[in-house]
Amino acid sequence: DGGITQSPKYLFRKEGQNVTLSCEQNLNHDAMYWYRQDPGQGLRLIYYSQIVNDFQKGDIAEGYSVSREKKESFPLTVTSAQKNPTAFYLCASSMAGGPYNEQFFGPGTRLTVL
Amino acid sequence: GQNIDQPTEMTATEGAIVQINCTYQTSGFNGLFWYQQHAGEAPTFLSYNVLDGLEEKGRFSSFLSRSKGYSYLLLKELQMKDSASYLCAVEDDYKLSFGAGTTVTVRA
Repeated sequence: DGGITQSPKYLFRKEGQNVTLSCEQNLNHDAMYWYRQDPGQGLRLIYYSQIVNDFQKGDIAEGYSVSREKKESFPLTVTSAQKNPTAFYLCASSMAGGPYNEQFFGPGTRLTVL
Repeated sequence: GQNIDQPTEMTATEGAIVQINCTYQTSGFNGLFWYQQHAGEAPTFLSYNVLDGLEEKGRFSSFLSRSKGYSYLLLKELQMKDSASYLCAVEDDYKLSFGAGTTVTVRA
């Protein structure tokens, strides 16, 4: 089955710890994205990558880091510098950056920082 | 900057029709997406509009007016499973900017 997987579904961390969220896709998509979703707010773009070994900051990149060493994988690290990391994190991918850029979403990871 | 507005909540009866409006002011525009998201789950694609007019897909239709910065999603013959959040997203420069979403509650 083709799709996007995110793991784990629920993640708990202590304040001050870095944590890495996994995102893997087997759709052969070039572009990948990370969003954050908070109650009552729309999805906000953290980082995106249109090709391997290249990525750009989105609207709320501070306190986050990413890597894109493989086409299939786009992990997100939430660092201790992120002031309010508790949120629902969604990873997405699309065939390529460009018009009609339908994005397919993974199931999400709910991160709670205690 | 990007400004995308949708109503926060709507309630309708099973079998009825509901129209969810979306207005946008964005620095660029390639197209407009509508996604459905059930609570705690991933958004799923519903429709895409790039030209003015109405796109129909079964019980769901979406309309776009680029000159007015306006779109709507029309849900017909509502079913209980349509209770979800509906997200309007504008595509610009290979990225999507999302509205806050409209939570639709379908009542029996």
